[in-house]
Amino acid sequence: AQSVAQPEDQVNVAEGNPLTVKCTYSVSGNPYLFWYVQYPNRGLQFLLKYITGDNLVKGSYGFEAEFNKSQTSFHLKKPSALVSDSALYFCAVRDPNSGNTPLVFGKGTRLSVIA
Amino acid sequence: EAQVTQNPRYLITVTGKKLTVTCSQNMNHEYMSWYRQDPGLGLRQIYYSMNVEVTDKGDVPEGYKVSRKEKRNFPLILESPSPNQTSLYFCACSPRGSLGGANYGYTFGSGTRLTVV
Repeated sequence: AQSVAQPEDQVNVAEGNPLTVKCTYSVSGNPYLFWYVQYPNRGLQFLLKYITGDNLVKGSYGFEAEFNKSQTSFHLKKPSALVSDSALYFCAVRDPNSGNTPLVFGKGTRLSVIA
Repeated sequence: EAQVTQNPRYLITVTGKKLTVTCSQNMNHEYMSWYRQDPGLGLRQIYYSMNVEVTDKGDVPEGYKVSRKEKRNFPLILESPSPNQTSLYFCACSPRGSLGGANYGYTFGSGTRLTVV
């Protein structure tokens, strides 16, 4: 069965510093990986995805993520954090070889960017 | 504008009083799903539907029902709500695509905050 882990409940970073939100996954085959962001009182918004190809994926709002197969990780990164990046971030995984299984989400990491 | 619309946004109800949360999408997507979000537990899938008249249980289906009579609508029904169903609910959809939709992300509604007292 596929699963995803976000080891940090909370990440704090100063504005202007680089940020990393960690995600590791477990699937039987090659994964499809996604990052979503949730702002207060809003639904989840798609940030980026890895399906195949280049391991470094660029997404919305200056975010990027690096797929690392040997470490089974898909960490979300941004070179310079903004206060407006403060939100709840979810990593999700799907095993494309397992039929109609849905996206499986991590428990979320709350990012707080301090001015 | 492509969107998923949930109603109501907020609802306070009493134990045992049947309720329906509606979800409608205007993207002609085949796949629709309901999730509940609880602190420390992330998003857990309740039910999903691959197409009209096709529904399947997710991870936490107990106490919920769904129907998919039309492609655009996927209502969530709580026949006899209980306090443990107090949660934030999200509807989501995606296209099937050539890979069964696996390579697409989801489009989410804005959420329904339900409180059962």
